[in-house]
Amino acid sequence: DGGITQSPKYLFRKEGQNVTLSCEQNLNHDAMYWYRQDPGQGLRLIYYSQIVNDFQKGDIAEGYSVSREKKESFPLTVTSAQKNPTAFYLCASSRGFSGNNQPQHFGDGTRLSIL
Amino acid sequence: GQQVMQIPQYQHVQEGEDFTTYCNSSTTLSNIQWYKQRPGGHPVFLIQLVKSGEVKKQKRLTFQFGEAKKNSSLHITATQTTDVGTYFCAGLGRTGTYKYIFGTGTRLKVLA
Repeated sequence: DGGITQSPKYLFRKEGQNVTLSCEQNLNHDAMYWYRQDPGQGLRLIYYSQIVNDFQKGDIAEGYSVSREKKESFPLTVTSAQKNPTAFYLCASSRGFSGNNQPQHFGDGTRLSIL
Repeated sequence: GQQVMQIPQYQHVQEGEDFTTYCNSSTTLSNIQWYKQRPGGHPVFLIQLVKSGEVKKQKRLTFQFGEAKKNSSLHITATQTTDVGTYFCAGLGRTGTYKYIFGTGTRLKVLA
């Protein structure tokens, strides 16, 4: 069954700690995205990747880092520099990049909280 | 920068009533997509509109793209409890940007 898998579902971060959120897709999609969703708000783009070994900053990249070493995987690291990391993080993928009018398929998300 | 606003932010309706959410962009859009997010869930793609003035229907849902391609609407006829969730529009700008800007969403609650 094809889809996007995010793990863990819930994550707690201590002060000064980096944490990594996993995102894996078996849809053979080229493009992948990370969004942040705060309560009562829309989705804000953190990073996106059109192809393996390439990624670009979105609107709120500060305090985050990503890698795209494999087509299937696009992990997001929330660094200690991100002072307000508590949010719902959503990973998405699409067959081609946004400019090709492709719909995005989302994972179930990871809820990150500060301890 | 490009902004996409949605109204209303919240809407409570009695089951069987109609519901409409509106999406307005500060700039002209190439196309617009609509997503639905159930409580505790993730956004699910509903539809994409590309042409000026385009209207598409999915059963009780009617989607419309404005003539100027700066606004869009989603109308649900005779709401059901299964329609509960947050509806987001996402617009793709025409200025050469290649990322969708999501609206703030409209949270729909249907009272049985």
